[in-house]
Amino acid sequence: GEDVEQSLFLSVREGDSSVINCTYTDSSSTYLYWYKQEPGAGLQLLTYIFSNMDMKQDQRLTVLLNKKDKHLSLRIADTQTGDSAIYFCAEKGNTGKLIFGQGTTLQVKP
Amino acid sequence: DVKVTQSSRYLVKRTGEKVFLECVQDMDHENMFWYRQDPGLGLRLIYFSYDVKMKEKGDIPEGYSVSREKKERFSLILESASTNQTSMYLCASSFRGQGDTFGSGTRLTVV
Repeated sequence: GEDVEQSLFLSVREGDSSVINCTYTDSSSTYLYWYKQEPGAGLQLLTYIFSNMDMKQDQRLTVLLNKKDKHLSLRIADTQTGDSAIYFCAEKGNTGKLIFGQGTTLQVKP
Repeated sequence: DVKVTQSSRYLVKRTGEKVFLECVQDMDHENMFWYRQDPGLGLRLIYFSYDVKMKEKGDIPEGYSVSREKKERFSLILESASTNQTSMYLCASSFRGQGDTFGSGTRLTVV
């Protein structure tokens, strides 16, 4: 079945780059997404990548997609304390439903 | 900006009560979704809808039902609330093929 896996926790120092990794199983996924959830809040769509792309850059965010290995990553440059949150990777296949990973908690130390 | 509004941020209900969670979106999205989020279990899809009066079961529909009488409104119903339904409930909407926009969530406690 469809599955999305992420590591649960990442800790970085302010100013460093953060890389959050994700693997998925559904090769028919058309879109892959990164969401951010701050404490007590809903999910905010950060960025997405279409499955025929390798890379997408949006200001401090870079998404890399390795379709062969079914591996997705989110790089946050110059990580700030305001980036501390839970980051969810998600895939959307032909059904239109999102399949989420467990979420990676990013801790940014001053 | 697309807005998805959930009617309550916090709710406390008694076991056995019938509970309605309301969600409204203002961008004419066809798709609407209800998830619950629990520590260690991530987000799990309860029900979704691709159009008015249509509904599909998600991964954990037991104990829940939904209603979509109008395109902008998707209601989640707990027929008889139980303590294991204490959770954060998240509503989302989207156009087909696009990312889902989420509401702020409703934290439901069943006592």
